[in-house]
Amino acid sequence: GENVEQHPSTLSVQEGDSAVIKCTYSDSASNYFPWYKQELGKGPQLIIDIRSNVGEKKDQRIAVTLNKTAKHFSLHITETQPEDSAVYFCAASKGTTDSWGKLQFGAGTQVVVTP
Amino acid sequence: DAGVIQSPRHEVTEMGQEVTLRCKPISGHDYLFWYRQTMMRGLELLIYFNNNVPIDDSGMPEDRFSAKMPNASFSTLKIQPSEPRDSAVYFCASTIGGGSPLHFGNGTRLTVT
Repeated sequence: GENVEQHPSTLSVQEGDSAVIKCTYSDSASNYFPWYKQELGKGPQLIIDIRSNVGEKKDQRIAVTLNKTAKHFSLHITETQPEDSAVYFCAASKGTTDSWGKLQFGAGTQVVVTP
Repeated sequence: DAGVIQSPRHEVTEMGQEVTLRCKPISGHDYLFWYRQTMMRGLELLIYFNNNVPIDDSGMPEDRFSAKMPNASFSTLKIQPSEPRDSAVYFCASTIGGGSPLHFGNGTRLTVT
């Protein structure tokens, strides 16, 4: 089955700097790659996703890149703010009609943004 | 929209007791998922439903676990009997399908002593 590895496990950045989180996946059939943000005591919340027919996607300060050949994808957060502090998860799925939400998650990255 | 609603938020029970977790998906969402989060195993899928029918329960760890979806607005995850290793945060999530994102509830934190 699919295996998703995520690095780093913790990331400390100064406010205003950029943060980058990297994930690799094993199943070449995976074609849907969402990123979730989880705050303390809450469920994961989708922040951005990318599908395999796209190499890069941007939404304000957040961007995701995908390299299908190398089977890795990354999350980039620019101009970080204290409210960006949270645990971030990458995930992958085959993206078929019935398996869209059958996500294999990475282990998570604890991001701390210091003022 | 109230989002995915889970109850209770916290559950503390003794080993051997029956535990029932509840979920109300977002109205109109045809897919419902149960995930479990632990420090050791991270977020893992237990079971999911499409139009109230279980599609894949391969993630359910043991026969002690069962899930039902009697109608489009309600699902339960039951553990009987519970064991200390079942302690985790259990999340319910729903989606309209067709490539739309998964929406998670805020989870039920289960502690089995």
